[in-house]
Amino acid sequence: DGGITQSPKYLFRKEGQNVTLSCEQNLNHDAMYWYRQDPGQGLRLIYYSQIVNDFQKGDIAEGYSVSREKKESFPLTVTSAQKNPTAFYLCASSIGFGALLGNYGYTFGSGTRLTVV
Amino acid sequence: GESVGLHLPTLSVQEGDNSIINCAYSNSASDYFIWYKQESGKGPQFIIDIRSNMDKRQGQRVTVLLNKTVKHLSLQIAATQPGDSAVYFCAENNAGNMLTFGGGTRLMVKP
Repeated sequence: DGGITQSPKYLFRKEGQNVTLSCEQNLNHDAMYWYRQDPGQGLRLIYYSQIVNDFQKGDIAEGYSVSREKKESFPLTVTSAQKNPTAFYLCASSIGFGALLGNYGYTFGSGTRLTVV
Repeated sequence: GESVGLHLPTLSVQEGDNSIINCAYSNSASDYFIWYKQESGKGPQFIIDIRSNMDKRQGQRVTVLLNKTVKHLSLQIAATQPGDSAVYFCAENNAGNMLTFGGGTRLMVKP
């Protein structure tokens, strides 16, 4: 079955440490996205990528970094510069961008819960 | 900027009753809308979508209504079940680049 996989499900970070969240999709989707979700709140866009080797900052990119070396993979690094990283992180993908979104929108992964210890 | 918003952050309904979750959008150029369901600790899942050339679309126990005149979107769930308890998000594609998500409504089903 095609889908989008995030790992790990739970991640603990020490102060000053960088951690990387994995996101892999086998849907042959061109576009991928990272969102942050805080308790009881909506989705905030961190980074997005329309195509391999290209990505753009979202609304809350500070303290995060991404890469898109392969179509299937869009890892997110939470750096030590992110002062409040405890949150639920969601990765998503879509067939295309813009007008091509009109086919079921985004497919989401199951999320990674990051906690600072 | 343009945004999608919700009227009620929490909705509590009795099992077996119908549920209505509302969403207001501000971008009249939006041409595609989606409702997502997010259960606790999981990612959002697609429920139903509607294009701007329609005003109603039905799925299994769910109906989405679109009123472009007042820029309002609603999700109706018939015979609400405990398994429907979740947070529901509306999203719009404003023919720009990406989906814009609403803040979410928590649906609680009382047995």
